[in-house]
Amino acid sequence: DAKTTQPPSMDCAEGRAANLPCNHSTISGNEYVYWYRQIHSQGPQYIIHGLKNNETNEMASLIITEDRKSSTLILPHATLRDTAVYYCIVGYTGTASKLTFGTGTRLQVTL
Amino acid sequence: KAGVTQTPRYLIKTRGQQVTLSCSPISGHRSVSWYQQTPGQGLQFLFEYFSETQRNKGNFPGRFSGRQFSNSRSEMNVSTLELGDSALYLCASSREDLLSSYEQYFGPGTRLTVT
Repeated sequence: DAKTTQPPSMDCAEGRAANLPCNHSTISGNEYVYWYRQIHSQGPQYIIHGLKNNETNEMASLIITEDRKSSTLILPHATLRDTAVYYCIVGYTGTASKLTFGTGTRLQVTL
Repeated sequence: KAGVTQTPRYLIKTRGQQVTLSCSPISGHRSVSWYQQTPGQGLQFLFEYFSETQRNKGNFPGRFSGRQFSNSRSEMNVSTLELGDSALYLCASSREDLLSSYEQYFGPGTRLTVT
C-alpha cells in the first residue's frame, strides 16, 4: 500500500472551512483514498473515500488532484466537535479491512 | 441501527494472564477487523475475519489470536500477557457487498491495562 504524508497539526477557526492536505505520490492506479478521524478516546470514524473523482457527503468533501498524487479533505464549516486526529489512508478495496494508519493530522478548531 | 459494540470496555489484568475481548459487528456486516492502539505505535492492524475465516493478518506474535462465529460476532484472545500489551483494542466491521461498501465502522474499544 502507498504511504501518505500529512502535516502533524493544523488550526481552524470555528465556522471556517478546514482544508486538510495529504500527499500520496506513490499511489497506484486502483488504490483508493480513505479518510477517517478519531476524536479523543473514541474509535476512528469513517468520513469519506474516493478513487479519481471528487466526492462529497454530509460530512465532508474530498478533492483528489488529477495526477492522484495528493488530496484534500474539506470540512466546509468546522465546529468545535470536529477537533480530532484526521487520518488519510490509501489502499486497494481488498485491503480496506486492514487499514494502515499513519500519524495523521491533529486538527484543533478554536472559537 | 446499532453500532459496533465491544465488551468489556475496561479491563485490568496481570502479566502472564490471558484475556478474551468480544466484538459484535453492525447487523449485516460480515467482516470484522481488530486493531491495537498505543501511544508509541499508534493504530496497528491485528487481523481480520470474514465468514468465520481469518482473511488478513498483521504483524503480531502468535499470542494474539481471534475467531469469528457464524453470527459474525468475533473474539480476540491474548495469552501470556505482557506489560506492552496495555492498549486500546478496537474492533471494526464492514459490509463488503456488491455495492462496494468498504468503509469500516469502529467500536468504542476495550482499554486493557496489564500490571
